[in-house]
Amino acid sequence: QKEVEQNSGPLSVPEGAIASLNCTYSDRGSQSFFWYRQYSGKSPELIMFIYSNGDKEDGRFTAQLNKASQYVSLLIRDSQPSDSATYLCAGVSNDYKLSFGAGTTVTVRA
Amino acid sequence: EAQVTQNPRYLITVTGKKLTVTCSQNMNHEYMSWYRQDPGLGLRQIYYSMNVEVTDKGDVPEGYKVSRKEKRNFPLILESPSPNQTSLYFCASSQRGPTTGGYTFGSGTRLTVV
Repeated sequence: QKEVEQNSGPLSVPEGAIASLNCTYSDRGSQSFFWYRQYSGKSPELIMFIYSNGDKEDGRFTAQLNKASQYVSLLIRDSQPSDSATYLCAGVSNDYKLSFGAGTTVTVRA
Repeated sequence: EAQVTQNPRYLITVTGKKLTVTCSQNMNHEYMSWYRQDPGLGLRQIYYSMNVEVTDKGDVPEGYKVSRKEKRNFPLILESPSPNQTSLYFCASSQRGPTTGGYTFGSGTRLTVV
């Protein structure tokens, strides 16, 4: 079992809608979680990180962490065509490794 | 500009011909790491380094070597490349480790081994 699993997608949403991305992790000791965005042909860039249970908001992005359920999510509100990208979920395990999910590709339809 | 610089961006080589992919960061980061990215498999860690002269294996270290003689540089060495090492490679760095704020990634190196 992979340490971090993402819903496979692809996910297509209309412009202005909410895109919801989900991620689960297997290492109960994982403490830190990150969401990266990767445009086609580019390198990943960090957009959100979350350490504590609950929600964390940054502009149109909201990260949610539920450690009891071992679940991390990312909501993108008012989706724009520029949000079309692959979103990578990552978690840090107790052995200090950052493990990535396979990514979910999001397409925002104008 | 704070950045992680990888070279080359593209490389086509033949099986068995040793190659080195360079990685340099100008942010004085202690932690550096190499990943490969393959379709459907996501990013998989090859090696990482917590500091100068300290390196450790990631999830897929076979066929790769690294060294960390200086803080800013973390080259990836393929002693005898094989076609299954055809992939997109990323170098990444972090101030004190991935727990503290994630990575800054280089632009990537697309390697093809024929």
